[in-house]
Amino acid sequence: DTEVTQTPKHLVMGMTNKKSLKCEQHMGHRAMYWYKQKAKKPPELMFVYSYEKLSINESVPSRFSPECPNSSLLNLHLHALQPEDSALYLCASSRGEGGGNQPQHFGDGTRLSIL
Amino acid sequence: AQSVTQPDIHITVSEGASLELRCNYSYGATPYLFWYVQSPGQGLQLLLKYFSGDTLVQGIKGFEAEFKRSQSSFNLRKPSVHWSDAAEYFCAVGASANAGKSTFGDGTTLTVKP
Repeated sequence: DTEVTQTPKHLVMGMTNKKSLKCEQHMGHRAMYWYKQKAKKPPELMFVYSYEKLSINESVPSRFSPECPNSSLLNLHLHALQPEDSALYLCASSRGEGGGNQPQHFGDGTRLSIL
Repeated sequence: AQSVTQPDIHITVSEGASLELRCNYSYGATPYLFWYVQSPGQGLQLLLKYFSGDTLVQGIKGFEAEFKRSQSSFNLRKPSVHWSDAAEYFCAVGASANAGKSTFGDGTTLTVKP
């Protein structure tokens, strides 16, 4: 069983829709991450939150808007997405402040399809 | 900047045979090294990590990896592969100076023949 829970597991949306992806962890981790993963590719880092503050934005388009309401929750708000945004979106968490020296715990992802 | 190379895109082994997946990294200081496994339809699961100390590290599911500084390698091994080991394997390197950034290799797909 994964300790990082992502909802929904699957999402199909049109290019004009607004939707949100949700991620929750109860391991007491203070760093949380969003990744995008295309088929047969490694995860690509999008955002890092450290102690509920955005610490890294990897030049992600503004149609993706992250939010960290508290230390256990991470949201990714989606608006006006493009077909090329179809991918698996992974959430992860780790101890520490979000440094690359900590192993990350991943959720099972949300499979997103843009029509 | 750090980087990771996994030279083998796809490896096929017979069930019960031994396995070695290669990983080479580039980083100026002592790296933090990780191996993750991803089964179809799932997220990544940490197999093992190396921070310092003993260069042979044991992980879950019977996996081990050896850190060789002279070769800039961190190869993953398993003495006897099970059909359930078929998955995508990612090597990753991180550095505390580069907050939040674990750089992943492109992955190796493992197929297990019966």
